[in-house]
Amino acid sequence: DAGVIQSPRHEVTEMGQEVTLRCKPISGHDYLFWYRQTMMRGLELLIYFNNNVPIDDSGMPEDRFSAKMPNASFSTLKIQPSEPRDSAVYFCASSWTGTHSPLHFGNGTRLTVT
Amino acid sequence: GENVEQHPSTLSVQEGDSAVIKCTYSDSASNYFPWYKQELGKRPQLIIDIRSNVGEKKDQRIAVTLNKTAKHFSLHITETQPEDSAVYFCAASIMNRDDKIIFGKGTRLHILP
Repeated sequence: DAGVIQSPRHEVTEMGQEVTLRCKPISGHDYLFWYRQTMMRGLELLIYFNNNVPIDDSGMPEDRFSAKMPNASFSTLKIQPSEPRDSAVYFCASSWTGTHSPLHFGNGTRLTVT
Repeated sequence: GENVEQHPSTLSVQEGDSAVIKCTYSDSASNYFPWYKQELGKRPQLIIDIRSNVGEKKDQRIAVTLNKTAKHFSLHITETQPEDSAVYFCAASIMNRDDKIIFGKGTRLHILP
């Protein structure tokens, strides 16, 4: 198994532009999580899905952020419009049965908004 | 919601000595406590976890302890080695309820030669 695959690895964009981050979970995993990592705030849970359905998006910072999971093998996190304070590493993670099993993280996307 | 506090934020120990990282949680219903290790530039990876029905768990040089009454849990690394240098995250969640895993802010562990 290739593990959780995220793209792109690095994204540099200008303030105001739309950014789309992509994630392919491990096949068979029915939970998918999006986390944001910064030095100040650590690993923050943004949103998670169970069987492609969003369960809790209370961590999404504001309306500029949206996430979708159109099928079991693909999810996107979109920021529109992007702002410099969105600069962070964004991780996608998947697991078999939510908290019953380990989270498998992707390599992350390092986003820089100038 | 659940809140996880972790300390210290930075820890330096001599190679061969022990390291202890401590976490507290706020929701008494939390019943699952994993620990993740993140090496520089890499993804977090699970190193050990503990459920609330046990007080201690060991895996070679790593052990976790849990005090449900005080709502705190700790990671112990013995005979530290250079490859133990990393950021360590504790986390807490409530199995069979909301499935969210909430992380502490992390501890950067430096193993000194």
